Amino acid sequence: ELKVEQNPLFLSMQEGKNYTIYCNYSTTSDRLYWYRQDPGKSLESLFVLLSNGAVKQEGRLMASLDTKARLSTLHITAAVHDLSATYFCAGGAPAMRFGAGTRLTVKP
Amino acid sequence: GAGVSQTPSNKVTEKGKYVELRCDPISGHTALYWYRQSLGQGPEFLIYFQGTGAADDSGLPNDRFFAVRPEGSVSTLKIQRTERGDSAVYLCASSLGTASYNEQFFGPGTRLTVL
Repeated sequence: ELKVEQNPLFLSMQEGKNYTIYCNYSTTSDRLYWYRQDPGKSLESLFVLLSNGAVKQEGRLMASLDTKARLSTLHITAAVHDLSATYFCAGGAPAMRFGAGTRLTVKP
Repeated sequence: GAGVSQTPSNKVTEKGKYVELRCDPISGHTALYWYRQSLGQGPEFLIYFQGTGAADDSGLPNDRFFAVRPEGSVSTLKIQRTERGDSAVYLCASSLGTASYNEQFFGPGTRLTVL
């Protein structure tokens, strides 16, 4: 069974700063997903990473995948308050396994 | 178009009672998934269906939990003899198929509280 570990679990950033969230997974996974969850809300799909070396960007967020290292990263550039949320990585579809989540707070 | 819907949005019950949680998938989606999310944790896989059949129920924690999808559309998650530890948000998702490239779309969840 796929195990997914994220770090950090909590992240407090100042607006305008950059940071990276890391996601390690234990066994081969066809796809690696990143989701965003706002408090009391459901999961919103951010990225699907399909292959080694894949890089996807949307606004201030960029996700990458290194299948050899079994590592995915979510890089935040010039953070803004609206990015405050919990971010999850997941793999092993269809029965997906999720990391514990990174709770991001962006402060002015 | 309409997304995944779940009812009720909140359910409060007493220990030992029986509950049913309902999920309406996106129209045309043949695959349906149930996850459970405890406070401060990531979603935990419970079961998924391809059509009417349960393709993988390895995540159901014990035999108090059961799910059905009799017509290949709406699904019901049933929990017998509820325990306080069952309190969580139960998330449903659906996808076009079960291949790993089929994105899962999540519903808003049902928050279950067992007193």
